[in-house]
Amino acid sequence: GDSVTQMEGPVTLSEEAFLTINCTYTATGYPSLFWYVQYPGEGLQLLLKATKADDKGSNKGFEATYRKETTSFHLEKGSVQVSDSAVYFCALFSTGGFKTIFGAGTRLFVKA
Amino acid sequence: GAVVSQHPSRVICKSGTSVKIECRSLDFQATTMFWYRQFPKQSLMLMATSNEGSKATYEQGVEKDKFLINHASLTLSTLTVTSAHPEDSSFYICSAASGGPDTDTQYFGPGTRLTVL
Repeated sequence: GDSVTQMEGPVTLSEEAFLTINCTYTATGYPSLFWYVQYPGEGLQLLLKATKADDKGSNKGFEATYRKETTSFHLEKGSVQVSDSAVYFCALFSTGGFKTIFGAGTRLFVKA
Repeated sequence: GAVVSQHPSRVICKSGTSVKIECRSLDFQATTMFWYRQFPKQSLMLMATSNEGSKATYEQGVEKDKFLINHASLTLSTLTVTSAHPEDSSFYICSAASGGPDTDTQYFGPGTRLTVL
């Protein structure tokens, strides 16, 4: 079945460092891909999405490109801030099952 | 836009009692709502999918008689945890999808932390 694999955390960075969180997926068809962010004690917020190959989703300085050839959707940010500390979930929308499949989540700590 | 609320945000109850959690889409009509459970430092586990006016579809291993889901309108879904026990303590999160061209995008509520004593 469809699945999402993302790098294990926690990831600890200093402020203004470059961030990459790797995400790969397995799916039949052409799923939409997402990154969600969860701040402590809160629900998930949609960070960005891409719906087809070579699409780039971007928001708040974060970006990710839908790479069909490598089945990847890596999250990047050029300069992280302390306020970016959160858990990041990569996800795909499974058109077959009409549901969202989440990765395990990657916790990011950004220190000042 | 696309705001989803949950109520209550936190509830503590005694073992054996039932707890109802509400999920509302505030500024859009949600054709489909999803209920998830999240254990500490883990990902979300889909419990069930509900469509307005029809019975919920439960994921394998989720007891439908214990976790009652009602999707009475296009803006409201409720999850009732019946005869709650300490092992039901968890963070419950709902999400809603509006259908149409963004049917693949879910908007999440802030979550409800349930503690069963």
